[in-house]
Formats: sequence, C-alpha cells, structure tokens
Amino acid sequence: SYVLTQPPSVSVAPEKTAKITCEGSNVGSKSVHWYQQKPGQAPVLVIYYDSDRPSGIPERFSASNSGNTATLTITRVEAEDEADYYCQVWDSYTDDRVFGGGTKLTVL
Amino acid sequence: QVQLVQSGAEVKKPGSSVKVSCKASGGTFKTDTINWVRQAPGQRLEWMGGISPTFNIPNYAQKFRGRVSITTDASTSTAYMELTNLKSDDTAIFYCARSLSGRDFFDYWGQGTAVIVSS
Repeated sequence: SYVLTQPPSVSVAPEKTAKITCEGSNVGSKSVHWYQQKPGQAPVLVIYYDSDRPSGIPERFSASNSGNTATLTITRVEAEDEADYYCQVWDSYTDDRVFGGGTKLTVL
Repeated sequence: QVQLVQSGAEVKKPGSSVKVSCKASGGTFKTDTINWVRQAPGQRLEWMGGISPTFNIPNYAQKFRGRVSITTDASTSTAYMELTNLKSDDTAIFYCARSLSGRDFFDYWGQGTAVIVSS
C-alpha cells in the first residue's frame, strides 16, 4: 500500500516561515491535500489539489508538490497555527485514501 | 453551510460491535460521499471507507474490509458506520467527513465519536 512519510515535529518562531514535508513515491503525480488538527478538534482542510485553499483559510497557507515531496508552507506563523498537520492522497491502485503520519507544529 | 453531527460516545466490550451515526445538513446528501475516518490515540488518521447515497455502494479501505459496514438512510440524511469484532486497539475517535462527488478530499467533518473498547 502507498505510504506517506512526514517529520514527527517541526518548530518555528512566531512570524517566521514553517515548512512541513510529505514524502511518497512519485507523490508529484498525485493530488495532495492537507489538514490542520488542533487538540480535541476534528481536522480542518487547509489545502486541496496540491495548492488550492478553501475559503476562510488564510493566504499564509500555501503548498507545492513535485517529485517525491509535497510541502506545506506557512508564512508569518502565528501562535494559533500550532497544531498537527496531515497530508493525504488517493491511492489509485487500492482506491484507498491515505494519510501521512502527521507533523506536530510547535510555535516557539 | 454543511454540518455533520455524530452520535455520542460509546463503551464496548471486546468482540462486540458499535454503530455510529452521522446526520448531515446543509449539503446535497444524495450526491455527496460520506466517509469514515478513525484516529486511535496518538495515531494517524485512517480512512475506513465511504458511501454515496446516490449509488448506495460502499467503498471500504483494504484494512477494514470484512469488519466495517457503511450505510445510509436518505430519508433522514444520516450515514452509519458499524464496526464488528471490536478489539482494544479499536479504541479511537471516529469521524465522518464529507467529500463532494468525484473528489478525494474531505471538506467538512463531524465532531467525532469516541469509542472505548474495554473488558
């Protein structure tokens, strides 16, 4: 089955830029979606189809996808961005929706 | 505004089954797909499967096939997920989540239902 690998944690100072990676075999050929999950809450979609933002998601959130790595970028990080972030793709071979292991973003 | 409201927490014995409901409003229930996602404590999200009320044919993740059943009641815009033969490592939060027809991402989520499996 298809595997997505994320770093367990990323730390960033306020107002700086955070980058969270999501690695998978030729993930650039798939559409990657990103979710934010705060403690005790349901996930929230922040990026879909590699780089599109749902309405209500700040422009500070952007993403890219190429080769074996997809990247979520958060500029001008705020304390409220502290959360777990998950990437997700559709595995066409199994028809499964696959999530990465999640990355805990800590705002210093 | 789409809203998904799930049933309350459950405590179950090993070997038993649990059935969780998800009532949808504000969307187009018959053409949307309702999915179920499991999150065990400290673990990643796991897609269990989904169903479109239009076709009423569920699609299950390989890991859960044979143990999960996803159904809908279009008359009440409610989806159900039943998981059988519960084990202690099924202790988790179960979320329902909507995806638009033909899309593979989840744009609206329920609040989650905690299921504790304990003897």
